Amino acid sequence: QKEVEQNSGPLSVPEGAIASLNCTYSDRGSQSFFWYRQYSGKSPELIMSIYSNGDKEDGRFTAQLNKASQYVSLLIRDSQPSDSATYLCAVTLDRGSTLGRLYFGRGTQLTVWP
Amino acid sequence: ETGVTQSPTHLIKTRGQQVTLRCSSQSGHNTVSWYQQALGQGPQFIFQYYREEENGRGNFPPRFSGLQFPNYSSELNVNALELDDSALYLCASSLDQGSPETQYFGPGTRLLVL
Repeated sequence: QKEVEQNSGPLSVPEGAIASLNCTYSDRGSQSFFWYRQYSGKSPELIMSIYSNGDKEDGRFTAQLNKASQYVSLLIRDSQPSDSATYLCAVTLDRGSTLGRLYFGRGTQLTVWP
Repeated sequence: ETGVTQSPTHLIKTRGQQVTLRCSSQSGHNTVSWYQQALGQGPQFIFQYYREEENGRGNFPPRFSGLQFPNYSSELNVNALELDDSALYLCASSLDQGSPETQYFGPGTRLLVL
C-alpha cells in the first residue's frame, strides 16, 4: 500500500505569515516528491518537486525532504489570500510499471485571511 | 492553460448506466494517465496508457476501461455506474511516461451518479 498522509486541516493563517504543510509517506521506495496546489473546482497544478534530502526553495515556497523520517513538507512564506487552496502531496516510485504514477495524499486545505 | 482538454465538463448519470469521458492530450504526448478524485480526497490513479497500450493499473475494477488513439486523444469508460463513482475525473498527459514535472493535467470532468 502506497500511503501518503497529510493533515486535512483546515489550516488558517493570517496574511504575511508562514504556512507549514506536512506530509508523510509509508513506502521507502518512494523516489520523487511533489506538491500540487488545487483551487476549488480546478485541477491540480504542480508547484514544487524535490528529489533529494534537504531544502529546495522557489520564490516564496520551500520544500523540505527527510527520507530517513519519510517526511516532506512545504513552507509558504509571506502567505497571500491567493494562496488559499488545497495543497496535495504526491510521491512516485519511479520504477517498473509504476513509472510516472502519482500517489496522492488527501490534501490540506489552507485559508489565508487578510 | 496546459494544452490538455477534457469533455464533457459536467455529467449526470444514474446508477447502472455507462459513461465515456474524453481527453485530448498535448500534441506529441504519447502517455496519458487517468485519475479519480472523490470529494475531499486526493486523486487516485486509475490506469495509464502508453502508445495505445494499457501500461499500469491502479486498484479499480474491470468496469473501468480505457482507450488511447493515435491522434493523442483518449477515453475512459465506466460501465454499471455506482453511486461511489461520483467524482472528478482527471486525465494527465506526458511524453514517454515522463516525470510529473512534464505531466499536464486537464481541467477534469465532474461526474455525478444518482
